[in-house]
Amino acid sequence: GNSVTQMEGPVTLSEEAFLTINCTYTATGYPSLFWYVQYPGEGLQLLLKATKADDKGSNKGFEATYRKETTSFHLEKGSVQVSDSAVYFCAQLTTDSWGKLQFGAGTQVVVTP
Amino acid sequence: EAQVTQNPRYLITVTGKKLTVTCSQNMNHEYMSWYRQDPGLGLRQIYYSMNVEVTDKGDVPEGYKVSRKEKRNFPLILESPSPNQTSLYFCASSPQGGLRNQPQHFGDGTRLSIL
Repeated sequence: GNSVTQMEGPVTLSEEAFLTINCTYTATGYPSLFWYVQYPGEGLQLLLKATKADDKGSNKGFEATYRKETTSFHLEKGSVQVSDSAVYFCAQLTTDSWGKLQFGAGTQVVVTP
Repeated sequence: EAQVTQNPRYLITVTGKKLTVTCSQNMNHEYMSWYRQDPGLGLRQIYYSMNVEVTDKGDVPEGYKVSRKEKRNFPLILESPSPNQTSLYFCASSPQGGLRNQPQHFGDGTRLSIL
């Protein structure tokens, strides 16, 4: 069946370090892919999205590229800040899902000064 | 401001006492949905609604009810809450469900504790 798998956390980094969070998906057809971010005590905010193969989503210095050949959508940021500390969720929307977002388990990122 | 509003934000209650979590959106979205978030499991869909008077089960509907009498509101009802329903709940909406380029907008969450 359809699923989203992302790396477990927590991921602890120093400020200005490079961040990568791996995400792979299993789906029939070609899903739309999303990264959502949840800051402490807040709801989910859309960080970026990609709707077809080779699309690159980007926002706030974060990037992710839709890779059909590896069924992946890894999130990257070149230089993290303390304010990037949050839980990051990878999600997919498949054509047969009636609008249901299917989420990975979430990855907590902690950035220290 | 475009938003999805949930109430209450926090609730501690006891087993068996009926409760309702309200959700309202001001974006005229047709699609609305409820998710629960549990550690290590991400978010899982409870119920969804494609439009007024059209609702259907998600992945974990047991113990929950919903209604969609108006486009803007989509309350989540726990008729007889149990401790395994202790969780963080999110309401979400999008212009139309299922379209690939329409991300969902989420509320700030409701943390329920059932003792």
